[in-house]
Amino acid sequence: ETGVTQTPRHLVMGMTNKKSLKCEQHLGHNAMYWYKQSAKKPLELMFVYSLEERVENNSVPSRFSPECPNSSHLFLHLHTLQPEDSALYLCASSQGGGFGEKLFFGSGTQLSVL
Amino acid sequence: AQKVTQAQTEISVVEKEDVTLDCVYETRDTTYYLFWYKQPPSGELVFLIRRNSFDEQNEISGRYSWNFQKSTSSFNFTITASQVVDSAVYFCALSEAGDKIIFGKGTRLHILP
Repeated sequence: ETGVTQTPRHLVMGMTNKKSLKCEQHLGHNAMYWYKQSAKKPLELMFVYSLEERVENNSVPSRFSPECPNSSHLFLHLHTLQPEDSALYLCASSQGGGFGEKLFFGSGTQLSVL
Repeated sequence: AQKVTQAQTEISVVEKEDVTLDCVYETRDTTYYLFWYKQPPSGELVFLIRRNSFDEQNEISGRYSWNFQKSTSSFNFTITASQVVDSAVYFCALSEAGDKIIFGKGTRLHILP
């Protein structure tokens, strides 16, 4: 089984829908991350959880709501998204949440908002 | 100003050629880490290497090599005898103490058969 698994791989949703992205890591790591990857932009860190506590929220709009029920699972709840939110959403994990940590990524969820 | 600059947006080379991907970073910290990640078409970023700021030794891993030069704030990545499987987007990244990791915009590498 791969280290970091994301579902679904692809998601198309309308602006009024509510959906959730799921991430699961099988590496025994203590930190998990959500990144947004838009075309021609650097990867943007959205949220960081360390030991299930949110330690960073980079001014992400409230229409994105993360949830980390345990150190192995991370969710991103989506509601009333905008077309500009269409992007590849990547989950990552690391052993600790400190600087210099190696990140292990999932394959991402390609989100299209219509 | 960008903290991590990958000036090459896209590169195409013919298989078996050598190719170097450039990365220039900016930091005032004396302690930091630099990374390279590979993103194949499948989507996941794959960790390739991490260097800390106190270790300027160049590293070689098979066909991959990295040249870290603090004097020019560069951390360049060379693929020797490139193969089609090397086709991917490559990201350079910087991690400073007390701050989130910062990625460059990436270089898309095409290896032509």
